[in-house]
Parts: sequence; structure tokens; C-alpha cells
Amino acid sequence: EVQLLESGGGLVQPGGSLRLSCAASGFTFSTYGMSWVRQAPGKGLEWVSAISGGGDVTYYADSVKGRFTISRDNSKNTLYLQMNSLRAEDTAVYYCVLIAVPGYFHYWGQGTRVSVSS
Amino acid sequence: EIVLTQSPATLSLSPGERATLSCRASQSVSRYLAWYQQKPGQAPRLLIYDASNRATGIPARFSGSGSGTDFTLTISSLEPEDFAVYYCQQRINWPRTFGQGTKLEIK
Repeated sequence: EVQLLESGGGLVQPGGSLRLSCAASGFTFSTYGMSWVRQAPGKGLEWVSAISGGGDVTYYADSVKGRFTISRDNSKNTLYLQMNSLRAEDTAVYYCVLIAVPGYFHYWGQGTRVSVSS
Repeated sequence: EIVLTQSPATLSLSPGERATLSCRASQSVSRYLAWYQQKPGQAPRLLIYDASNRATGIPARFSGSGSGTDFTLTISSLEPEDFAVYYCQQRINWPRTFGQGTKLEIK
């Protein structure tokens, strides 16, 4: 059974940093691309970033490019999202997602909440 | 960036009725479109990918159709657990984009 467990969310001041982690199990982690998708309170879904199975190819939404960095440690079956220069508009639930079929978000974690406020 | 526009914003129906949800893309996405269901307090769930393929474990009452710029998600006979928000998403281009969602509510 696929399991994705996010952690690292919390309250941070504008301009601050957070690192989200996603512990994966139930599948061969290094084989699949992974992604982060977020959802602001009461709003829709927004794709944030994606990374290939080997970790050598990454993609970012324009809204986070230059501030967020996606990475993975295949030896630890863990996905990361380093978030710097956080803004109020980054406030959201962040979901870790397994891309089992290229381009689609097949399996979702339960999310970790990030709040950016002074 | 490809913009996906879903309609209607809210759809009010009764259990047992047929639901038809639409998603229109600002440019062709071929058949590279998915549908997701999200219930309050839960993560989204993939229902349909590549316009018409049901994901694992999705009941046959859910079906998808369309290509190019116009797509439809049909729920043939609504069950109480189907009332939720539905999103479409394209995978032909980066950035991946979602529609704004259709809320399916009980009439």
C-alpha cells in the first residue's frame, strides 16, 4: 500500500524558511517522479514543483521559482521541499504526491499545513 | 500557461441523478487531462486520467470523455458519497494546471 507522510509544516514569519519532508513507502521510490501540490485555505489546487525519479530533473511553478527547491533522497525514500523567502500567499496545505502515470497525481499524502504570518 | 475553466461552479443534484461536469482548456491538451475528487478535509483522489481511463478502484459510474479543448466528467447515477468538489488537470505542458473546481452539492 502506498503511503506518503508529510511533515515539517508550521507557522513562520514572512521572509522565513521551512523544509517539508515526505516519507514514502509501499512502492519503489526511486522509480517514480514526485511532486508537491498546495491548496490555500478555501481555494483550489495549485501545482508547486516536480522531480524525476533520479532527482536530476526538476520543475517549478513561476510563483515559487527561485525561492523553493525540491529534492529527494532515494536511499531514505524521502522527498523534500525547501521553502525560502516565504510570503503570506504561500500559506496553504502542502501535499506530497506520487506520479505513478507520467503527468498525473496518483497518490496523495494527507498534507502538511504551512502558515506564513507575522 | 494553459488555463482550464470548469463549469458550472456549483451543481445541485439529487442522489440517483446524472451529473455532467465540464472542463474547457485555453488550448488543445490532446487527451492529456485528468479529473480529481476532493471531499472536505481530505486529500484529492485521482478519478480519471488521459481523458477517459478510470484510475484503480474507481467505480464504473464515473466516466470521462473529450479531447482537444473540451472535456466532460459524467457520474451516471449519483451516490451520497459523490457529493464533493471536482477538479480537472492537464499534463501536456508545464506548468501543470488545474481548473478552479466544480462543487457538486445535494439538492
